[in-house]
Amino acid sequence: AQSVTQLGSHVSVSEGALVLLRCNYSSSVPPYLFWYVQYPNQGLQLLLKYTSAATLVKGINGFEAEFKKSETSFHLTKPSAHMSDAAEYFCAVRTDSNYQLIWGAGTKLIIKP
Amino acid sequence: DAGITQSPRYKITETGRQVTLMCHQTWSHSYMFWYRQDLGHGLRLIYYSAAADITDKGEVPDGYVVSRSKTENFPLTLESATRSQTSVYFCASSGQINQPQHFGDGTRLSIL
Repeated sequence: AQSVTQLGSHVSVSEGALVLLRCNYSSSVPPYLFWYVQYPNQGLQLLLKYTSAATLVKGINGFEAEFKKSETSFHLTKPSAHMSDAAEYFCAVRTDSNYQLIWGAGTKLIIKP
Repeated sequence: DAGITQSPRYKITETGRQVTLMCHQTWSHSYMFWYRQDLGHGLRLIYYSAAADITDKGEVPDGYVVSRSKTENFPLTLESATRSQTSVYFCASSGQINQPQHFGDGTRLSIL
């Protein structure tokens, strides 16, 4: 069965510092991987997706993620945090054999001034 | 504006009542989804639909009913609401199953 683990329910970084949000998945077949962001009182917005093309995926708002098959990871990074990045971030995985997206529990990103 | 809209945004009701949450999308997307979001659980799929008149259960379907008579609408009904169904409900759609899902702004449902 597929699963997604996001390490850390809360991550706190200073403004201007590197953002690293971790996502590990389990899947026996090549996955599709997604990162979504949720701002307060809003729905989820797609940040980026991996669909077996390039392993380094660039998304919106300066975020990127790298697919590492050997580590079954798809960590999200941003070189320099901005106050507007404060939100909750969700990693999700899907395979061709299953319609459903499997979601991680989410990581709340806190930006310190 | 094109997009996906959910109504109402907020709803308070009592246990045992029937309540329907509405979802409307203007993209003519084939796939539509209903999720609930609870602290510590992330998003859990309730039901999804691959096309009009085709629906299937997700991870947590008990206590919920869906229908999809038109491509653009996918209402979710709680036939007899319980306190455990207090949650934030999100509707989503996608054009193809391998495409990203687009989300509505959610309905915050409180059952007293």
